[in-house]
Amino acid sequence: EAGVAQSPRYKIIEKRQSVAFWCNPISGHATLYWYQQILGQGPKLLIQFQNNGVVDDSQLPKDRFSAERLKGVDSTLKIQPAKLEDSAVYLCASSPRATTYQETQYFGPGTRLLVL
Amino acid sequence: AQKITQTQPGMFVQEKEAVTLDCTYDTSDPSYGLFWYKQPSSGEMIFLIYQGSYDQQNATEGRYSLNFQKARKSANLVISASQLGDSAMYFCAMREGHGNFNKFYFGSGTKLNVKP
Repeated sequence: EAGVAQSPRYKIIEKRQSVAFWCNPISGHATLYWYQQILGQGPKLLIQFQNNGVVDDSQLPKDRFSAERLKGVDSTLKIQPAKLEDSAVYLCASSPRATTYQETQYFGPGTRLLVL
Repeated sequence: AQKITQTQPGMFVQEKEAVTLDCTYDTSDPSYGLFWYKQPSSGEMIFLIYQGSYDQQNATEGRYSLNFQKARKSANLVISASQLGDSAMYFCAMREGHGNFNKFYFGSGTKLNVKP
């Protein structure tokens, strides 16, 4: 079974530019998560989708970050405009249903973003 | 209050010895799941082991075991017979909640270094 795919793996941009990340979850997984992981810290949830609906986006900086999951499969996360403090690894994860507390998440390789 | 606390930013262990990574959690939900993940320098999060709040026995997966002390709200990870490849960041996480409204929390991680 193919794992969670993410692209690009690395991205370097200048502040105030825009950037987009793509994620394709494990086939059949209804729940998709985007996390931001700043160096030396644990992942912080940005947004959680159940199929193509948003379940939790309480920590998403909505003035500059946006995410969508059209058709309930793959997803894009966009930052516009980027700030220096957005430099981090952006992790995508998926779960089959995530309606029970027993389910784990399966993570992609992440996208390392550097904002100069 | 922190949902997940990992008090050891870094740990050293000699190859072939056992090591315990500490994790305490905070929840008032009777139903929750506890997870440990490994994050090598490559960046992806690898699921190691799961413990449910109602499980009577401690979880084990190969060289990994989870020392679950519910009254103390601790879920320490024990790695037996450490190997050089175990050098990585280790994150404790908790899922609580039900249905679509469930949340996943990560600790700040412990960096494990295995010495030859």
